[in-house]
Amino acid sequence: AQKVTQAQTEISVVEKEDVTLDCVYETRDTTYYLFWYKQPPSGELVFLIRRNSFDEQNEISGRYSWNFQKSTSSFNFTITASQVVDSAVYFCALSEARNSNSGYALNFGKGTSLLVTP
Amino acid sequence: KAGVTQTPRYLIKTRGQQVTLSCSPISGHRSVSWYQQTPGQGLQFLFEYFSETQRNKGNFPGRFSGRQFSNSRSEMNVSTLELGDSALYLCASSASGRGLKTEAFFGQGTRLTVV
Repeated sequence: AQKVTQAQTEISVVEKEDVTLDCVYETRDTTYYLFWYKQPPSGELVFLIRRNSFDEQNEISGRYSWNFQKSTSSFNFTITASQVVDSAVYFCALSEARNSNSGYALNFGKGTSLLVTP
Repeated sequence: KAGVTQTPRYLIKTRGQQVTLSCSPISGHRSVSWYQQTPGQGLQFLFEYFSETQRNKGNFPGRFSGRQFSNSRSEMNVSTLELGDSALYLCASSASGRGLKTEAFFGQGTRLTVV
């Protein structure tokens, strides 16, 4: 069975602070995919990043960076110099690969609500 | 390129009724999946369709069903609505095919309220 845990329910920071959102996952598969999505108040889930289980290289995209560590089953997300527009709920998700004909299903964590105040 | 379009955006139904929600995926995407989002249960996978075939199914009762048409557009249906079905229903499309799992892009959702 697969499981995604986002232990931080709510985080509040002041603008320009750095903030890290934690994600810990469980899976029996050796091949899987990890994702981060952002959900602003409008409700739409906005894709941020996808990472394959065989690619542990960290990634940086502007103020966003992701740290993937298979040894600790974690895929943490850091926002550097946070801005008010970063306020949203952030979801970590896992999809197992199984076989090539298997369906596509995302298993989401409960989400972390980030509030950035001026 | 147009994104994922879900209609209607808002819906109010009475307990016992049935409802049909529609999703038009991104052009060229053949995989469409549906999710239910509630404050208590969070985001839960309902089912996924690929080339008009249900390829994967979540743990929901048979009242929840779906289908996909030849143009990849998808509908989901909920029969005999219950108060607990009130939720945001999100549709996602992806280019995922055989052996390929790309990112899924989501629509803005349909907010269903059952009274």
